Amino acid sequence: TQLLEQSPQFLSIQEGENLTVYCNSSSVFSSLQWYRQEPGEGPVLLVTVVTGGEVKKLKRLTFQFGDARKDSSLHITAAQPGDTGLYLCAGETSGSRLTFGEGTQLTVNP
Amino acid sequence: DAGITQSPRHKVTETGTPVTLRCHQTENHRYMYWYRQDPGHGLRLIHYSYGVKDTDKGEVSDGYSVSRSKTEDFLLTLESATSSQTSVYFCAISWTGGNTEAFFGQGTRLTVV
Repeated sequence: TQLLEQSPQFLSIQEGENLTVYCNSSSVFSSLQWYRQEPGEGPVLLVTVVTGGEVKKLKRLTFQFGDARKDSSLHITAAQPGDTGLYLCAGETSGSRLTFGEGTQLTVNP
Repeated sequence: DAGITQSPRHKVTETGTPVTLRCHQTENHRYMYWYRQDPGHGLRLIHYSYGVKDTDKGEVSDGYSVSRSKTEDFLLTLESATSSQTSVYFCAISWTGGNTEAFFGQGTRLTVV
């Protein structure tokens, strides 16, 4: 059983559309991170959220940490083909470890 | 780019043989991690290290061992490779662990036949 559940697992949309990816858990996390991974590469950090209810914006990407610090969402406005990739959420667990969700594979078609 | 080098990048090995993957960093980060990535499972932690000779198990550590004799090197050994260990393996480093940024290597694709 995955500690962090991401949905949807796959998402294929047209350029210009908006989308939201969810990361949910029954556990409370002290912080949560979002990474993006492109084929043949390792994941790269997009953002870290620490405070319950926190909202962070990174250009067209908006990240939200749930009030109870059990869930997070990533919203992309006006998606572009360059946004294509695997999006991973990760939560800090005991022993300074990061636990990852299974990822959301996003494809943005021109 | 963070200075992380994984070697080899690709390897095909036979069932039952030992295999060692190497992760080398030039960033002097304290924490080093080994993950495996499989479709539908995201990244799963195998082992991690929080200092020289200080290591601990992750969620999928069976069949794997690690060693860290120097700050810059973290070795992952599959003692007797099995087909279920066919995967892409990623090394990651971070300065203090936890919610500090983790920097990943480019991965090693291992196939056990």
